[in-house]
Amino acid sequence: AQSVTQLGSHVSVSEGALVLLRCNYSSSVPPYLFWYVQYPNQGLQLLLKYTSAATLVKGINGFEAEFKKSETSFHLTKPSAHMSDAAEYFCAVSPRRGSNASKIIFGSGTRLSIQP
Amino acid sequence: DTEVTQTPKHLVMGMTNKKSLKCEQHMGHRAMYWYKQKAKKPPELMFVYSYEKLSINESVPSRFSPECPNSSLLNLHLHALQPEDSALYLCASSFPNGRTNTEAFFGQGTRLTVV
Repeated sequence: AQSVTQLGSHVSVSEGALVLLRCNYSSSVPPYLFWYVQYPNQGLQLLLKYTSAATLVKGINGFEAEFKKSETSFHLTKPSAHMSDAAEYFCAVSPRRGSNASKIIFGSGTRLSIQP
Repeated sequence: DTEVTQTPKHLVMGMTNKKSLKCEQHMGHRAMYWYKQKAKKPPELMFVYSYEKLSINESVPSRFSPECPNSSLLNLHLHALQPEDSALYLCASSFPNGRTNTEAFFGQGTRLTVV
């Protein structure tokens, strides 16, 4: 079964500092990969997705992620953190084909805190 | 219109009540999902409907009963729930491309409290 592992349940950075949130996937075939953000008491909003085109994916709010097959990773970065980036971030995976193609499975999440 | 609309936003129900959660999308998506999310946890997949047919049931207790009346609507019927069923229930939709999916669009959720 496919899965994603997010390293670090809580990451704290200073405003203006680099944001790095880690995600590793487990799959014999590179899956579709997503990063979602969730603000308190709200639904999930898609930040970006990898579907097999460019390995460096740019998303909304200045976020980007790089797909590295050799490392089975899809880490999320942002050069300069803003106070409004404080939220819960989820990495998610969806298989490209097979009986579970409709499943979108989430990692455990990383809470990002921004210090002024 | 890129919205998934869920009603109600909040629901408090007793353990003997019957209630329903509703979800609507007008993006032409043909896959719709119910997820359950407990506090400080990731969303857990409950059900998937693909082209109005139930395609995935993640061994959810029968007190949760999904229904997909048409391609735009998804309901979750609730009966005889337990306090541990209190959670945020999220609906999502996506457009399956052959046998694979694009990203899912999520609603704002229904905050359910069982008393």
